[in-house]
Amino acid sequence: GAVVSQHPSWVICKSGTSVKIECRSLDFQATTMFWYRQFPKQSLMLMATSNEGSKATYEQGVEKDKFLINHASLTLSTLTVTSAHPEDSSFYICSARSGRGQLYGYTFGSGTRLTVV
Amino acid sequence: GEDVEQSLFLSVREGDSSVINCTYTDSSSTYLYWYKQEPGAGLQLLTYIFSNMDMKQDQRLTVLLNKKDKHLSLRIADTQTGDSAIYFCAARGDDKIIFGKGTRLHILP
Repeated sequence: GAVVSQHPSWVICKSGTSVKIECRSLDFQATTMFWYRQFPKQSLMLMATSNEGSKATYEQGVEKDKFLINHASLTLSTLTVTSAHPEDSSFYICSARSGRGQLYGYTFGSGTRLTVV
Repeated sequence: GEDVEQSLFLSVREGDSSVINCTYTDSSSTYLYWYKQEPGAGLQLLTYIFSNMDMKQDQRLTVLLNKKDKHLSLRIADTQTGDSAIYFCAARGDDKIIFGKGTRLHILP
């Protein structure tokens, strides 16, 4: 079945540095990828939607210059947290959607726990 | 690793109960979740259940957990047109959340 590999699964970085999270669809082409963020004991919050080859669409309140999303190919999307601060510490999950119309399915990565110290 | 399976489609008549089923493979999963996604929107946490519980009810929603069979279900009583959405089952062990592919709930008039 469809598999999405998200890497790394956890990362610790210093304030002010940048961190890149990768999301790869291993056996299918992901026409659309989604990036979510989850704070402790809260639901997932959609950060942005990216379609291959075009700029990501960010949700209201998400800083596009801080959370850089690149979806350069049908199998890879990256989220870069730039100039990270402790408040960026969170759990980030990607999701890839394959197919089009009513028959598409979603596959989620297993998440990345980011801790900024 | 953990695998979460759920059927992709469910059609239910308005006013009937909807039951969405899910199975998972990792018996050490501590939390099990149901998320709802409406068209064009992000995921919304509907409810969750701890692995040491077997039932949780919240208004029209009832979650049943059979830990022995690793089976989770979400029952929506008196299904309404606003319940039309995709419902995701998810299991969490350690720091990873594994999602099912989602069940699309279609409401028939």
